[in-house]
Amino acid sequence: GAVVSQHPSWVICKSGTSVKIECRSLDFQATTMFWYRQFPKQSLMLMATSNEGSKATYEQGVEKDKFLINHASLTLSTLTVTSAHPEDSSFYICSARGQTSGGTDYNEQFFGPGTRLTVL
Amino acid sequence: DQQVKQNSPSLSVQEGRISILNCDYTNSMFDYFLWYKKYPAEGPTFLISISSIKDKNEDGRFTVFLNKSAKHLSLHIVPSQPGDSAVYFCAASLLFSSNTGKLIFGQGTTLQVKP
Repeated sequence: GAVVSQHPSWVICKSGTSVKIECRSLDFQATTMFWYRQFPKQSLMLMATSNEGSKATYEQGVEKDKFLINHASLTLSTLTVTSAHPEDSSFYICSARGQTSGGTDYNEQFFGPGTRLTVL
Repeated sequence: DQQVKQNSPSLSVQEGRISILNCDYTNSMFDYFLWYKKYPAEGPTFLISISSIKDKNEDGRFTVFLNKSAKHLSLHIVPSQPGDSAVYFCAASLLFSSNTGKLIFGQGTTLQVKP
């Protein structure tokens, strides 16, 4: 159980275009989803926290108008990188916390496989 | 301000021996700690966790020790296997006090287990 998927696994786009990344919890209800980015050989940096049905909470220094997050259902959150630039190239990872169908809370976050974004 | 630190970027261990990965934190309010394993171009995989009310948690070959007074935790892997070779991240959370559960990650330690 506790599987999180991401789509696409990699994407290459031109500078100025927008890219949408999907994060899905496959076998549990994700009440909270998190979006991270990781630069090579660096730690995972939290970008934002989203709760189903409410606005995302962004970390300091993360532009909310550039990184649009939608968490419209208990199994899906999306991150849209708007007007992407080469410096946005990174590895984007989502994670999810929530409950099983039996109502058991997960304390751990379960991570998706990540999306490699390359902006040319 | 790095609230969670893994000061050893890499560790090399012989197969069958013990691997000890260390992590220090600065925020005494953290109440939940986790270890994740990560392969290149993949998302982290949860390994083991410990709440601040405990000082040890064991799961198979993996044991996590927490020393709150020193603000230090460690992950022991015994015996180490070549398949354990990966990057290990420790993470801390204000799970029970803030209820958001957001994680603060260390920089990671690359473990290499030699056959």
